[in-house]
Amino acid sequence: GNSVTQMEGPVTLSEEAFLTINCTYTATGYPSLFWYVQYPGEGLQLLLKATKADDKGSNKGFEATYRKETTSFHLEKGSVQVSDSAVYFCALSDGTNAGKSTFGDGTTLTVKP
Amino acid sequence: DTEVTQTPKHLVMGMTNKKSLKCEQHMGHRAMYWYKQKAKKPPELMFVYSYEKLSINESVPSRFSPECPNSSLLNLHLHALQPEDSALYLCASSQDLGNTIYFGEGSWLTVV
Repeated sequence: GNSVTQMEGPVTLSEEAFLTINCTYTATGYPSLFWYVQYPGEGLQLLLKATKADDKGSNKGFEATYRKETTSFHLEKGSVQVSDSAVYFCALSDGTNAGKSTFGDGTTLTVKP
Repeated sequence: DTEVTQTPKHLVMGMTNKKSLKCEQHMGHRAMYWYKQKAKKPPELMFVYSYEKLSINESVPSRFSPECPNSSLLNLHLHALQPEDSALYLCASSQDLGNTIYFGEGSWLTVV
């Protein structure tokens, strides 16, 4: 079956530090890959996505590249802010299990001033 | 800003109560979803509707009853819930099955 593995948290960084949150996956077919962000007390927001190999998704300074050879979709940001403190979920949708997305366990990021 | 709207944002109900959670989207999406999320966990799929028909029920207890009155609305009827059902309930929609899923802000449910 499909699976998504995220680096374990929590992750604590100082403001302006570089962020990497690792995500690897196993899936049948050619999945689409997503990063969602959940701020405290809120629902999940789509942060970025990539639908095919070598695609780079980007939004709000965050980036992730779909690497089929390493089955990875690592999230990066060059300079984090306190407002980036949230839980980040990596997810995939392979279309064969239509309607069923697979989520990673989430990584909690805390950015300190 | 999310275009999936959920009401109420907070709900406290007793174990003998009957209540409903409501969800609305105006993006013309044909697939709608209910998820349950416990603290510090990923969302768990409960139900999927496609073109107003139930396509997936993830073995959810019958005390949760979904309803899709039309393509823009999705309800979750709650009856005789247990304290362990307390969680964040997330509605979501996508253009079609397998497309990008967009979530609402969620309804925080507390069962007392």
